[in-house]
Amino acid sequence: QKEVEQNSGPLSVPEGAIASLNCTYSDRGSQSFFWYRQYSGKSPELIMSIYSNGDKEDGRFTAQLNKASQYVSLLIRDSQPSDSATYLCASGVAAGNKLTFGGGTRVLVKP
Amino acid sequence: EPEVTQTPSHQVTQMGQEVILRCVPISNHLYFYWYRQILGQKVEFLVSFYNNEISEKSEIFDDQFSVERPDGSNFTLKIRSTKLEDSAMYFCASSREQGANGYTFGSGTRLTVV
Repeated sequence: QKEVEQNSGPLSVPEGAIASLNCTYSDRGSQSFFWYRQYSGKSPELIMSIYSNGDKEDGRFTAQLNKASQYVSLLIRDSQPSDSATYLCASGVAAGNKLTFGGGTRVLVKP
Repeated sequence: EPEVTQTPSHQVTQMGQEVILRCVPISNHLYFYWYRQILGQKVEFLVSFYNNEISEKSEIFDDQFSVERPDGSNFTLKIRSTKLEDSAMYFCASSREQGANGYTFGSGTRLTVV
């Protein structure tokens, strides 16, 4: 069974601080990795994608990938109350179409 | 910004009834997907569709499920005889390219089977 695992949280972060989220995956064939944000009752919204080892930055978000350790992380800098949501990690296989999602980490940013 | 549109937003149906969930993918996208999320659980892949045929399906997508692209714009998921455990949010998604390049999800249909 190919799994993506995340700590369910909640991860409580003061406003302005850095939120650090982690994800591990079991399928060594995974080639692409994504972070989605999901507000309660809403659909997942893509915020970051990463395909190569190392860091990728986009605004306040930085994704990190380590394929040897099968580990993906997301940093949210200068956290805002509007960042309070569940963050879903997902992996995909290059040749296939489907994404495998983790259970999500709930983030609470406190003013 | 282009959107994936799903209707209805909420559907209540009696156990054993057939339901059809509708999706209008982004117009220049070629790959279409259905996912579901049972309350409090993971988002789960159901099926992917390309060139008018299923390209991949999960174990969840059994004979009770079917998908169709009846015209150039709609993409539907049919559940033939609903069960209580089919109650979930159903998300349609589309992408322009093959491979897991990140989808655009629709806003979802909440299906409640009573």
